[in-house]
Order: sequence, then structure tokens, then C-alpha cells
Amino acid sequence: GIQVEQSPPDLILQEGANSTLRCNFSDSVNNLQWFHQNPWGQLINLFYIPSGTKQNGRLSATTVATERYSLLYISSSQTTDSGVYFCAVLNNAGNNRKLIWGLGTSLAVNP
Amino acid sequence: DTGVSQDPRHKITKRGQNVTFRCDPISEHNRLYWYRQTLGQGPEFLTYFQNEAQLEKSRLLSDRFSAERPKGSFSTLEIQRTEQGDSAMYLCASSLAQATDTQYFGPGTRLTVL
Repeated sequence: GIQVEQSPPDLILQEGANSTLRCNFSDSVNNLQWFHQNPWGQLINLFYIPSGTKQNGRLSATTVATERYSLLYISSSQTTDSGVYFCAVLNNAGNNRKLIWGLGTSLAVNP
Repeated sequence: DTGVSQDPRHKITKRGQNVTFRCDPISEHNRLYWYRQTLGQGPEFLTYFQNEAQLEKSRLLSDRFSAERPKGSFSTLEIQRTEQGDSAMYLCASSLAQATDTQYFGPGTRLTVL
């Protein structure tokens, strides 16, 4: 099955700093999503981005499907950005709807 | 649109007891998913429904686990004869069957089996 690797596993930033999170996947996908899990456990969908680039405020994401990776950029980080960032993928051929998740990048933003 | 809701938010039970969780998806969403998440891991897929049909089940879903979505709206996940290894966060998500199929998650039910 598809393998998803995220890096770095842990990241500590000072408020205002920028960062880049990476997601590598082992096979072709037609669905890739980035999620943020806050310290209370709520998963928030950030981007649906199987290819191309999207931006939403201080966050942007780029997926290069042919090279099997995706990047999540966080600019001017804030303490509320703390939590775990997950990348999840699937190849939804047929009835397959099983998202495959990475282990996440745990981000702590210090004031 | 009130988002995906789950009930209860927390459940503490003794080993051997049965528990049932409920998920109410976003109202127009016809796909509903159940996941399990343990500490330090990403969510693990358990099962998914399109309308009332259960279309896929993970091998993680042992005989003690059953999920239903009888009217294609809310869903229940029941765990019979709970074991300590069942302790986890149980997450529900829903999506609208379309090209993007973006999944939206509820707050989860945290189960502790003593």
C-alpha cells in the first residue's frame, strides 16, 4: 500500500518565524489533504491539494504529484499554530476511500 | 451547517462492557467515515459509508466492532466486550461525494477502558 512519510517529526519555532513541512508519498495519488490537529484533538482540514499550489492566509501548500511530495508553508507563525500537522493521501480508484496518514509533524510555537 | 458532531465526547468504561458512539455528519454529506487514533499516531481508517451502505471495512474492525448508518444520516459505532487496547480517540468524518471528496472531522470521542 501507499506509504506516507512526514518531516520533520518535531519542530519548535519562535513566534513570527516561517517553516516548511514536507510530506513524501510512495505511489501516485489523486487525493491529498493537509490537516491541523489542535491541542484539544480537533482535526481541521487545511487544504485539499492533489497537485498545484494553494494559499490561505499565512498558510500555503504545494504538491508536485510527479515527484510524489507535498509541502506546507507556514509564514509568520503564531502560538495558535501549535499542534500536529498531518498529511493524508489516497488513490480513490473504485470504491477505495481509505485515507492513508503520515505520523504528523508536531509543531510548538513559543511566544 | 453546524459541522460534524459526536457524542459522547468522553467515555470511561470497564473492561468487558459494551459502548456505543454516535456521529452526526454535515447534513448534505452522503459519505461518513470512522477512524481510530492512538497517542502519537495518525488516524487509522476503520470503515466508511456511502448513504446507508457500508462500502469498506478495515481489518482493524474486529468482530467486536460494528457500525451502522440505518437511514443514511447519523451513524453509530458499537464496541462489544471492550478491552484495554480499545482505548483511543474515535473520530468521525463526513464528505460530499464529488471530485474533491474533502473530509471534515468531528471533535472525537475519547474512550478509556479500565
